[in-house]
Amino acid sequence: EAGVAQSPRYKIIEKRQSVAFWCNPISGHATLYWYQQILGQGPKLLIQFQNNGVVDDSQLPKDRFSAERLKGVDSTLKIQPAKLEDSAVYLCASSLDLPVSSYEQYFGPGTRLTVT
Amino acid sequence: AQSVTQLDSQVPVFEEAPVELRCNYSSSVSVYLFWYVQYPNQGLQLLLKYLSGSTLVKGINGFEAEFNKSQTSFHLRKPSVHISDTAEYFCAVLTGGGNKLTFGTGTQLKVEL
Repeated sequence: EAGVAQSPRYKIIEKRQSVAFWCNPISGHATLYWYQQILGQGPKLLIQFQNNGVVDDSQLPKDRFSAERLKGVDSTLKIQPAKLEDSAVYLCASSLDLPVSSYEQYFGPGTRLTVT
Repeated sequence: AQSVTQLDSQVPVFEEAPVELRCNYSSSVSVYLFWYVQYPNQGLQLLLKYLSGSTLVKGINGFEAEFNKSQTSFHLRKPSVHISDTAEYFCAVLTGGGNKLTFGTGTQLKVEL
């Protein structure tokens, strides 16, 4: 079974530039999550999709971050414009629908963003 | 709001020694608890989880954890560590009904020869 795919793995941009990350979840997983992991901290949920609908985006900085999952499969997360404090690893995860999932989330390798 | 505290940011240990990584949570309702491991430049991998039933949970790679409701703890243990266990370990609690994980700040386990 293929895991969660993310690209690119690394990205370096200057502040005020824009950047986009892509995630392809495990086949058949209805729920998709984007997390932000700042160095020295645990991952923080940015947004959660159920199929192509948003379940939770309460911690997404909506003035600069946006995410979409148009066909209920892969997803993109965009930052525009980027700030220095956006430097982090962006993790994508997916899971089956409850209760089948037993609450397990499967994580991709992440995209390491450096904003200079 | 639910939260997770991992008191130790780093734990050095010699190979074949036992180790315990501490995790405490705060919650006023029933909880589901998890331990994830993150190897360098990789995503998170589930080690084990507590949803209900036996308070002693066994996971992959010889790890186990014990859910203690009275002490609101979910400490991770391994009786004999290996060099390959060197990684960052995250404790997490499930919140709400939407499968939302709240993570601790992580504990870096460094196994030395």
